[in-house]
Amino acid sequence: GQNIDQPTEMTATEGAIVQINCTYQTSGFNGLFWYQQHAGEAPTFLSYNVLDGLEEKGRFSSFLSRSKGYSYLLLKELQMKDSASYLCAVRNTGGFKTIFGAGTRLFVKA
Amino acid sequence: GAGVSQSPSNKVTEKGKDVELRCDPISGHTALYWYRQRLGQGLEFLIYFQGNSAPDKSGLPSDRFSAERTGESVSTLTIQRTQQEDSAVYLCASSSWGQGGDTQYFGPGTRLTVL
Repeated sequence: GQNIDQPTEMTATEGAIVQINCTYQTSGFNGLFWYQQHAGEAPTFLSYNVLDGLEEKGRFSSFLSRSKGYSYLLLKELQMKDSASYLCAVRNTGGFKTIFGAGTRLFVKA
Repeated sequence: GAGVSQSPSNKVTEKGKDVELRCDPISGHTALYWYRQRLGQGLEFLIYFQGNSAPDKSGLPSDRFSAERTGESVSTLTIQRTQQEDSAVYLCASSSWGQGGDTQYFGPGTRLTVL
């Protein structure tokens, strides 16, 4: 079967660092994505990993370990506007089908 | 350029009626996806189209659901004999292969309510 696990909710303080974990078990692997989704809005792309290691992009970084079926999204210098759901998604091999996790709701408090 | 657009933005229908949802992808994007998102839940893959290849329909929940796409343009998702369980936001996304893999750009969604 195919399964993507993320924590349901997390709370962090403005200015802090938070790490959102994602573990996956899928029938093949051809890339992992992180998307941000504010309440009532469509998801927007944050990051893409296909090789092991850390990808850094400003305040956001994403890490991938294919052997462990594990990724995390690291958000630094948290801002109130970072309060949103963060979706982990895995693309299968042999096509473009992408499986999304249920998302992690992040609450940033002052 | 313009992003992904979807219409209608909201649709309220009675149980048993058919509905048609429309998606206009970003021009030049070869791949188009449909997802369903129930309240407070993640995205559920429904179908994707890639160029002229046969679509991957493996996510369609029942034979009441169907989708079409003409070339690399507009797509329509049709739900026949709607049920209350079909109530959700239906999201369309398009993508084109590039440095970031196939980053998907999402439309604003159609919120479907079946009474």
